[in-house]
Amino acid sequence: GQQLNQSPQSMFIQEGEDVSMNCTSSSIFNTWLWYKQDPGEGPVLLIALYKAGELTSNGRLTAQFGITRKDSFLNISASIPSDVGIYFCAGLQGGSEKLVFGKGMKLTVNP
Amino acid sequence: DTAVSQTPKYLVTQMGNDKSIKCEQNLGHDTMYWYKQDSKKFLKIMFSYNNKELIINETVPNRFSPKSPDKAHLNLHINSLELGDSAVYFCASSGGWDSGANVLTFGAGSRLTVL
Repeated sequence: GQQLNQSPQSMFIQEGEDVSMNCTSSSIFNTWLWYKQDPGEGPVLLIALYKAGELTSNGRLTAQFGITRKDSFLNISASIPSDVGIYFCAGLQGGSEKLVFGKGMKLTVNP
Repeated sequence: DTAVSQTPKYLVTQMGNDKSIKCEQNLGHDTMYWYKQDSKKFLKIMFSYNNKELIINETVPNRFSPKSPDKAHLNLHINSLELGDSAVYFCASSGGWDSGANVLTFGAGSRLTVL
């Protein structure tokens, strides 16, 4: 099946630092989503992107839909301890009902 | 109000048993899903129902049988449980392809442990 390559797999940062993560695919996607999962909970939507080149912010989070439609990135600025968790990218191809997830990036923020 | 609720949250059982996980959504969504998250946190779709009809059925053993009595409920029944079935199972719902959004809202997960 279709796979999304998400990197890095994990990051350890100090509180206040910025962090970037990205997701790539060999195929074109029409929708890119970024989710965060806290321990013991389900993934929660952070940002949804629907158009190539789209740049969207949600507080300290900024995400972009790559112009080639084969990649997306998520930036978190000025990290805080509650940013810890697993961040997933997810993509949807045209005509498909199946949302495909990346393998996740585990973020640790040291206070 | 919980948007997508699934029960039980934890389930510990012996190999060979049959168990069910229930899911309900109060978002008025047409489409519901079951995802499996393994120990490496990889999320893989298992099934999807749109308005009570099966629309996605991934390569899942037929010991897994989803049932959707109405569009607000999607239950997962597992027969003859095996050790490899141990995972966290997530229910999700979405407004569906026609709505143009297709953004999934997840439940809190049901952690199944098979001994």
